[in-house]
Amino acid sequence: AQSVTQPDIHITVSEGASLELRCNYSYGATPYLFWYVQSPGQGLQLLLKYFSGDTLVQGIKGFEAEFKRSQSSFNLRKPSVHWSDAAEYFCAVALNSGYSTLTFGKGTMLLVSP
Amino acid sequence: GAGVSQSPSNKVTEKGKDVELRCDPISGHTALYWYRQSLGQGLEFLIYFQGNSAPDKSGLPSDRFSAERTGGSVSTLTIQRTQQEDSAVYLCASSLAPMSSYEQYFGPGTRLTVT
Repeated sequence: AQSVTQPDIHITVSEGASLELRCNYSYGATPYLFWYVQSPGQGLQLLLKYFSGDTLVQGIKGFEAEFKRSQSSFNLRKPSVHWSDAAEYFCAVALNSGYSTLTFGKGTMLLVSP
Repeated sequence: GAGVSQSPSNKVTEKGKDVELRCDPISGHTALYWYRQSLGQGLEFLIYFQGNSAPDKSGLPSDRFSAERTGGSVSTLTIQRTQQEDSAVYLCASSLAPMSSYEQYFGPGTRLTVT
């Protein structure tokens, strides 16, 4: 069965500093990969997704992620964090063909310090 | 346009009572999903509907959980004889089509507290 690991439960970053959130997946083939963000009291919003092609994908709000097949990773990055980025971030995978539900990691809570 | 809506936003119930949670998907979306978000457990898939096909119930944790989708639109998740471990946020999502390449749009969730 596919699984997703987000090794960091909490991360604190100073405003203006760079950010990298880690995500590793376990799956027999390259799955579809997603990053979602959940602000307090809100539903999940899709930041970006990777299906195939260029391994560096751009998303909304200035986020990007890089797929590394050799490391089974899909880490999320942002060059300069804003206080409004404080939220919980979820990495997710889905089968790369046909119908599939999302399998989520347990999330990383991002705290932004002034 | 309108997004996925869920009601109620919060529900407090006593152990042993039944509860119903409602989801209104985005109009025209054929696929509807229910997930549960528990502290320390992340998001878990519960059940999935696609049009008139039989739902995929593989994620339901026990037979106390059931869901239906009427007319291919609104869905209701029912939890019978609630237990304290059922306390969680229940999220609904919909997508234009059931293929995994289609984005799932999430509602704000229903926070269920079982006392």
